[in-house]
Amino acid sequence: AQSVSQHNHHVILSEAASLELGCNYSYGGTVNLFWYVQYPGQHLQLLLKYFSGDPLVKGIKGFEAEFIKSKFSFNLRKPSVQWSDTAEYFCAVNVPPGGSARQLTFGSGTQLTVLP
Amino acid sequence: DGGITQSPKYLFRKEGQNVTLSCEQNLNHDAMYWYRQDPGQGLRLIYYSQIVNDFQKGDIAEGYSVSREKKESFPLTVTSAQKNPTAFYLCASSPLRSFEDTQYFGPGTRLTVL
Repeated sequence: AQSVSQHNHHVILSEAASLELGCNYSYGGTVNLFWYVQYPGQHLQLLLKYFSGDPLVKGIKGFEAEFIKSKFSFNLRKPSVQWSDTAEYFCAVNVPPGGSARQLTFGSGTQLTVLP
Repeated sequence: DGGITQSPKYLFRKEGQNVTLSCEQNLNHDAMYWYRQDPGQGLRLIYYSQIVNDFQKGDIAEGYSVSREKKESFPLTVTSAQKNPTAFYLCASSPLRSFEDTQYFGPGTRLTVL
């Protein structure tokens, strides 16, 4: 079974600082990778996803993530954060193939607080 | 307006009572899921269903039950057997139509047992 680790539980940054949130997974085969975001009082939203192809994935709101297969990592980055990025961020993984329901395995989440 | 709806948003229950959480989707998705979210633990899968009248246990199914009588509906019952039911419950759905399958989430129901 796969597992996901997010080592940063709470990150505090000032506006305009650069962001990198770590995500590592344990599974030896092909995986699909996701980052979800949960803004205060809102539902979980998809930020970006990786299935195949270019390992550098761009998502909404200026976020990007890079899949490094040799390191089993899928770190989330943003060059300049805003106060509105304050939220909880979850990394998740599931295993292909498609055509059948598969659970997402989530990391424990990283709370990002951006100070104005 | 397409999406996933969950009701109620907040739910209070006395110990020993069963309670049912609603999840409806109008996205025509085949698969539906229930997750439980606890602080510092991420989301954990309770049950999932990929077709009407069929569902499978997830990692933490004990004390919960589900039904899938209609494609658009996947209600979750939290029974009195669930030892620690206070949590945030999230419903999700996915299309299962392609290799690139993505789950989309509803707004959640916060259950508090008094």
